[in-house]
Formats: sequence, structure tokens, C-alpha cells
Amino acid sequence: SQTIHQWPATLVQPVGSPLSLECTVEGTSNPNLYWYRQAAGRGLQLLFYSVGIGQISSEVPQNLSASRPQDRQFILSSKKLLLSDSGFYLCAWSGASVAEQFFGPGTRLTVL
Amino acid sequence: GEDVEQSLFLSVREGDSSVINCTYTDSSSTYLYWYKQEPGAGLQLLTYIFSNMDMKQDQRLTVLLNKKDKHLSLRIADTQTGDSAIYFCAESSGGKLIFGQGTELSVKP
Repeated sequence: SQTIHQWPATLVQPVGSPLSLECTVEGTSNPNLYWYRQAAGRGLQLLFYSVGIGQISSEVPQNLSASRPQDRQFILSSKKLLLSDSGFYLCAWSGASVAEQFFGPGTRLTVL
Repeated sequence: GEDVEQSLFLSVREGDSSVINCTYTDSSSTYLYWYKQEPGAGLQLLTYIFSNMDMKQDQRLTVLLNKKDKHLSLRIADTQTGDSAIYFCAESSGGKLIFGQGTELSVKP
């Protein structure tokens, strides 16, 4: 069966520090991968999605970047965090031909 | 652009039925989804309905789709305290999912 992992589970970082969040998927190959941010207002904002290694689409301009160095690994990064980057970051995967997405447990990021 | 709307809060008593409503805009959506999010956790896919169906039942869950009005609902029968969570409606659009803001369901004993 397929599983999706995210780490770390929680993170507290100072403003201006770098960020690296990791997401890995097991039990499937060539998944579509997604990064979402869920701010305090609850809505889910799609940040990036990837349909293959090295292929990243950005949905909104922001202080973050994403990379996909391996088929089942998706990384969210920042060189310098802002206060507004605080939130709950969710990674998800889907099959190449289906839209339903399966979510990881999330990372709670607090920028102080 | 595509948009999905939900009411933000719903409160019911344990044992009653809960009905969570959602409206969407993309008439070409192939699938519509309901996700559940418990506090501090990721989203869990509850159920989905294909756009050519009117109804889908899965144990205590019933999904109704009115394609003409672009209205989707989730009914939870015999609601339990463990059903307390945020429920998200989502439509598939352009290969992506568009989520509503989520409805927070509170179940009172």
C-alpha cells in the first residue's frame, strides 16, 4: 500500500533562516506531488505541483521554492523565512491519471 | 476562476444526522470529493462522486450531487463525537483540486 511521509512534524525557525521540508512517498511510482499551505484561516493554498523529476510548477509567487530530486521525493525550501511563512504545510500525491489526492500528516512551521 | 464555497461551521447533537453543503463553479469537474481533517493532522479522503452520478452511499455517509445547481452535500447519519473535524469539499479542475474553506463540524454529547 502507498504511504506518504513528511518531516519534520513541527518546526520553529527565526525570521531570515533557511527552510527545508521533506516529503516522500512509498508504494507507488511516478506520482504527481503537491505542496499546500494551510494558514490559520483554514483554507488550502496550492503552492507547487510536480508531474515528474525536475518538473515543478509554481502556483503563486512567494518566498518559497520546491524541488523534486527523485521520483518519490518532494522538497520545499526557502533561503530566508518571513513571518508570513508560518503555517501548516501539507504534501500530497496522486496517480498520474486520477485527481484524488492523498495527504501526508503535515508540518507545523512557526516563524518567530 | 474556479471557486468552491462552504459554510464555516455546523453544530449537531450526537446521534443526529449532519448535512454539510458545498457549491462549486466548474461544470466540467469530473469528480467531486469530501475530505476530513482532524486537529493537527493531514486531510483524509472520505469519499468521492463521479459527476454523472446523483448519489453515492458508503456506510454512514451519503453524498448527493445536483449538477444543475452545482451543489454537493455530505450527510453523516448517526453522528458521533469522533466525527468532529473540519470537512473539505473539493472539485477536480484542470488536473488539480480546488478546495473549499472547510466546514467545522462540532458534535455535542
